[in-house]
Amino acid sequence: KAGVTQTPRYLIKTRGQQVTLSCSPISGHRSVSWYQQTPGQGLQFLFEYFSETQRNKGNFPGRFSGRQFSNSRSEMNVSTLELGDSALYLCASSWDRGLGRGYTFGSGTRLTVV
Amino acid sequence: SQQGEEDPQALSIQEGENATMNCSYKTSINNLQWYRQNSGRGLVHLILIRSNEREKHSGRLRVTLDTSKKSSSLLITASRAADTASYFCATDVLSFGNEKLTFGTGTRLTIIP
Repeated sequence: KAGVTQTPRYLIKTRGQQVTLSCSPISGHRSVSWYQQTPGQGLQFLFEYFSETQRNKGNFPGRFSGRQFSNSRSEMNVSTLELGDSALYLCASSWDRGLGRGYTFGSGTRLTVV
Repeated sequence: SQQGEEDPQALSIQEGENATMNCSYKTSINNLQWYRQNSGRGLVHLILIRSNEREKHSGRLRVTLDTSKKSSSLLITASRAADTASYFCATDVLSFGNEKLTFGTGTRLTIIP
């Protein structure tokens, strides 16, 4: 079956702009989580969505937001980009966290803010 | 913030040798998972061990979990060049309002052919 698809793979934006990243989970998976990976902070949890509802949110400013659609596809948006937002953004899907199953990650979107 | 630390931060071994990585965490967990990441790509799920399990095997991988010490180890036997990657442990804390996977700092493993 198809894996988790993240688009775009690479993105270059200017400070102050906004960006939207997309994640299509594995068919049937209803949980989608987003992570930011940087050399300095490692893998940091952004938020998790399940059945279109945000279940948990990490310690990121309000400039970071997300949503999930009825088909489980998810988007995350970052407004007023800062240089420090440059990172690899990873999306992970799972059928349901409550069952204690592993997550399937996409290949990520590498965002560079200049 | 990170749930815990991984040790060592970097490890280089000869092909064919065994590689052991350790992970410590801070809070009670539902399960602990290990992931591999190649050169800044996505993470690949390797193995999951539940809090009531002490050891688990999958192919050349062996994971142990000691909940009393809040630690886990990943052993890769008979290493291959293709095992070169970063390895992360991640804890799954199933508590209402705090559902998330929290990653360790990672171990960079290099297999020397």
